Amino acid sequence: AQKITQTQPGMFVQEKEAVTLDCTYDTSDQSYGLFWYKQPSSGEMIFLIYQGSYDEQNATEGRYSLNFQKARKSANLVISASQLGDSAMYFCAMRSYNTDKLIFGTGTRLQVFP
Amino acid sequence: GAVVSQHPSWVICKSGTSVKIECRSLDFQATTMFWYRQFPKQSLMLMATSNEGSKATYEQGVEKDKFLINHASLTLSTLTVTSAHPEDSSFYICSAPAGTSGVGVSYNEQFFGPGTRLTVL
Repeated sequence: AQKITQTQPGMFVQEKEAVTLDCTYDTSDQSYGLFWYKQPSSGEMIFLIYQGSYDEQNATEGRYSLNFQKARKSANLVISASQLGDSAMYFCAMRSYNTDKLIFGTGTRLQVFP
Repeated sequence: GAVVSQHPSWVICKSGTSVKIECRSLDFQATTMFWYRQFPKQSLMLMATSNEGSKATYEQGVEKDKFLINHASLTLSTLTVTSAHPEDSSFYICSAPAGTSGVGVSYNEQFFGPGTRLTVL
């Protein structure tokens, strides 16, 4: 069975600072994908970044980077130069290419303060 | 990027009535769609996988007869909450993985609808 764990229910960061949101996963699949989504108070799910299990380089998308450590089964999200608009819930998710199902972690609420 | 729409965005109904939620992929075809439910301050929980042309597959603990799913075409899936009760009040979100079928769509993404907030009185 697949499982995603986010151990930080809430995080605070000062504007312009970097923050790391933790995510560990468990799967017996060899081929899978890891995702991070942002969910503001409006409820929409905003795709941030993707890492494939066979990708050797860490994924980066603008201010977002994914610290992928396959042996440790971790896929932490790093947000650089935080902005007030980054305040939201952040979900780590994993998709098995066997089932196509996307399973979510419990989420981390990030609050950016001035 | 690919777009998924949901209708309605919110609905209030009386206990015992049925509510239908539509999920459409606007610029790509989706042979598979997923339905999630999210209670306040909680994560998204996968309810079922909707498959075009065949029966939906439900996650453990989800009542098939209560949450009816119909994937009528490659761009439309519907979720009907039958005989809704207050405990069914939740945020329902549909999603479609990219790459199921469509030109110019990256496989590495999964697109979400904006969600439907259901309140059962």
